[in-house]
Amino acid sequence: EAGVAQSPRYKIIEKRQSVAFWCNPISGHATLYWYQQILGQGPKLLIQFQNNGVVDDSQLPKDRFSAERLKGVDSTLKIQPAKLEDSAVYLCASSLTSGSVDTQYFGPGTRLTVL
Amino acid sequence: QKEVEQDPGPLSVPEGAIVSLNCTYSNSAFQYFMWYRQYSRKGPELLMYTYSSGNKEDGRFTAQVDKSSKYISLFIRDSQPSDSATYLCAMIRRDDYKLSFGAGTTVTVRA
Repeated sequence: EAGVAQSPRYKIIEKRQSVAFWCNPISGHATLYWYQQILGQGPKLLIQFQNNGVVDDSQLPKDRFSAERLKGVDSTLKIQPAKLEDSAVYLCASSLTSGSVDTQYFGPGTRLTVL
Repeated sequence: QKEVEQDPGPLSVPEGAIVSLNCTYSNSAFQYFMWYRQYSRKGPELLMYTYSSGNKEDGRFTAQVDKSSKYISLFIRDSQPSDSATYLCAMIRRDDYKLSFGAGTTVTVRA
């Protein structure tokens, strides 16, 4: 079974530039999550999708971050404009369903450096 | 105060030693308790999961939960260099099933 795929793996940008990350979840997983992991911290949930609808985006800085999950499969997370404090690893995860304790499977992450 | 507190370490032990990791939490709504392992440049992977107070064993790993003290532990017996990773505790609330992580403890097992 293929795991969660993410690209790019690494990205370096200047502050105020824009950047986009892509995620392909495990086939058949209805729920998709984006997490932000700052160095030395645990992952923090940014947004959760159930199929192509948003379940929770309470921690997403909506003035600069946006995310979509077209057709309930792949997802993209965008930052525009980026700030220095956005430097982090952006992890995508998927699970069979939400509202339960289904295991979340994580991708390898995209490491973003904002200069 | 963070909902989940975890000592970031780092922790360095010789091969064969017992590794002891722990987390405390403040929210009584946490019902399910997990330990994730994260190798360098990789995403977290679920190691163990439990929902009741007491011990759960899986090979060299033992997860311990004490709900009365709001304290969870992970023990690794006969540690190997391949166990070198960051270990994250994580918890799920029974009301919204959101996953909350600790900061992670970095463990190095020296050969």
